Amino acid sequence: DSGVTQTPKHLITATGQRVTLRCSPRSGDLSVYWYQQSLDQGLQFLIQYYNGEERAKGNILERFSAQQFPDLHSELNLSSLELGDSALYFCASSSYSGGAPTQYFGPGTRLTVL
Amino acid sequence: GESVGLHLPTLSVQEGDNSIINCAYSNSASDYFIWYKQESGKGPQFIIDIRSNMDKRQGQRVTVLLNKTVKHLSLQIAATQPGDSAVYFCAEILGYNQGGKLIFGQGTELSVKP
Repeated sequence: DSGVTQTPKHLITATGQRVTLRCSPRSGDLSVYWYQQSLDQGLQFLIQYYNGEERAKGNILERFSAQQFPDLHSELNLSSLELGDSALYFCASSSYSGGAPTQYFGPGTRLTVL
Repeated sequence: GESVGLHLPTLSVQEGDNSIINCAYSNSASDYFIWYKQESGKGPQFIIDIRSNMDKRQGQRVTVLLNKTVKHLSLQIAATQPGDSAVYFCAEILGYNQGGKLIFGQGTELSVKP
C-alpha cells in the first residue's frame, strides 16, 4: 500500500459525458501527479500540482482539467468524453516541489467510455 | 525528440537466475532516472532511482546502471523470483529541480519460470 488513494476504482460512462476522478496523496506530500495509461500510448504524464498550484504540464487534452485543493487532495476532470479516453488513470504523490524521484502511485481508476 | 524506449518488450527467465532489463533514453538533459514495477491491476511501484551524476546504484537485489555516453539504463535483478514477474518501466525526469515531467518507456514484461 503506497498511501495514495484514488476513487472510484472503476468508472463506466458514455461518450460526451463528464467525470471526476479523485486522489488523496500520502500524508505530508505536497505534490500530486496525474498519469494516463492506455494500451497504445503507455504511461503518459498529464499534469502536476504542488501545494495547490499547477507546476508542470504534459500531454493533457484541453477537455481535461485538474486542480488541487487546500487539503491537498486533487481532482482530475474529464469532459466531452470520447471512446479513446478509456484508460487507466493514476495519481502519484511526492513530498518535493520538483519532478521528485520518489513518486508513489495510487491503485488507479479504470475509465471505460462506451 | 523526447522518448524513452526499451530494447526488449518481453523477457523470460528461470527462477534463481539474474535478470537484466534494458532501456534507452534520448534526452541528454534528463537528470534523474527511475525504475518502476507494475503488477497486473496495480499502480507502478517504485523500485530504484539514480541521478545523472552517478553510474551505478544498488538496492535490495536490484542494481541500476547508467551509461550516459550511450544513453542507456539497465535494471539488474539478482536471483529472480516468481514474485518479480511484472512489467518494468524506466522513466526519466527532465529538470529535476524545476518541476520537470516524468517520461515513461513502453515497458518490459518479465516472466519468471519456476
